[in-house]
Amino acid sequence: DVKVTQSSRYLVKRTGEKVFLECVQDMDHENMFWYRQDPGLGLRLIYFSYDVKMKEKGDIPEGYSVSREKKERFSLILESASTNQTSMYLCASSFPARVRSNQPQHFGDGTRLSIL
Amino acid sequence: SQQGEEDPQALSIQEGENATMNCSYKTSINNLQWYRQNSGRGLVHLILIRSNEREKHSGRLRVTLDTSKKSSSLLITASRAADTASYFCATGALTGGGNKLTFGTGTQLKVEL
Repeated sequence: DVKVTQSSRYLVKRTGEKVFLECVQDMDHENMFWYRQDPGLGLRLIYFSYDVKMKEKGDIPEGYSVSREKKERFSLILESASTNQTSMYLCASSFPARVRSNQPQHFGDGTRLSIL
Repeated sequence: SQQGEEDPQALSIQEGENATMNCSYKTSINNLQWYRQNSGRGLVHLILIRSNEREKHSGRLRVTLDTSKKSSSLLITASRAADTASYFCATGALTGGGNKLTFGTGTQLKVEL
């Protein structure tokens, strides 16, 4: 079974801190994704990556950056945390379309981040 | 942007009944996927239907896709209390080398004993 592991289930940080959320997958997936999930808004894509050192902005990248130094690891960085970034953050991974088309995404259990 | 919109937002049924959830979307798609999320957990992929398919089955799940109406439905037959969860549709469009998905806001299903 595919395993996507997020480093923390719960995290509490203060306004202005630099926050790192880590995600590791064990299935050699090339694609990795970061979403945030808020009540009534569903999942919104923050950033995604198709390969090592490659990244693309999603729908809501403002206030975030990412790092993909190794294939299995995708980090989400909140440069200067603000209270409106309090949310559930979900990481996902999948095979790329050029190998097989239309692949499902596999999710971690999420990190519930609170910014005080 | 929210591509998929699920209907209803919440659904409560008795165990043994069928549950039907609908999803509408706005633009052309390559595929549509359904996911399930138990409370406090990540999403789990249930089923994928391609744009050239009309119906697909997986166990107690039946998914239909009508590209002319830009809509899909997920039917769970003979529901169980363990089916209680949120269900999301997600539309896919090939972007670069990957499969970028746009998720809807979900249907909360409660199956009561």
